[in-house]
Amino acid sequence: QKEVEQNSGPLSVPEGAIASLNCTYSDRGSQSFFWYRQYSGKSPELIMSIYSNGDKEDGRFTAQLNKASQYVSLLIRDSQPSDSATYLCAALNSGGSNYKLTFGKGTLLTVNP
Amino acid sequence: SQTIHQWPATLVQPVGSPLSLECTVEGTSNPNLYWYRQAAGRGLQLLFYSVGIGQISSEVPQNLSASRPQDRQFILSSKKLLLSDSGFYLCAWNHGASGYTFGSGTRLTVV
Repeated sequence: QKEVEQNSGPLSVPEGAIASLNCTYSDRGSQSFFWYRQYSGKSPELIMSIYSNGDKEDGRFTAQLNKASQYVSLLIRDSQPSDSATYLCAALNSGGSNYKLTFGKGTLLTVNP
Repeated sequence: SQTIHQWPATLVQPVGSPLSLECTVEGTSNPNLYWYRQAAGRGLQLLFYSVGIGQISSEVPQNLSASRPQDRQFILSSKKLLLSDSGFYLCAWNHGASGYTFGSGTRLTVV
């Protein structure tokens, strides 16, 4: 059973701080990793993808991947109240022509003004 | 550009009634299509996926079925809804190893 575990939260940070979200995955065959943001009552929105070990930066977001430790993280710098949402970590596995994402249960982030 | 449409947005159905949720994708061909359910306080559960017309794979045996009558159309159905079928139903598509793009979802309440 492929599993993706996230720190349960909720996580609360003050505006302007760095929010750190963590995720581990069980299947070493997982190829790619994604972070989704889900506002309450809305569908998940893809914000970051990472395929190789190391860091990937996009604006205020940095994704980090360590395949040896089976660990993925998302850092949000200069956190804003609009970043308040549930963040979902997902790992991709392929089987033939199908590509399946396994999601963690999510971490609720609250950014306080 | 590609867009994914899902309807209805909300639905309240009595126990034992049938269900049909529809999802269509525009601007692409031969997408992989997925149905997920997100129950209150729980994670995203993959229900069905399809890699082509008429090809359906079920991840979790339950009171639901799926069909793909056309390349860009994916339908989730039930003959008789249960209370436990309540949740937020999400359709998604992707190509290859890219992440999924989700539709806006259907919030189903079975009463």
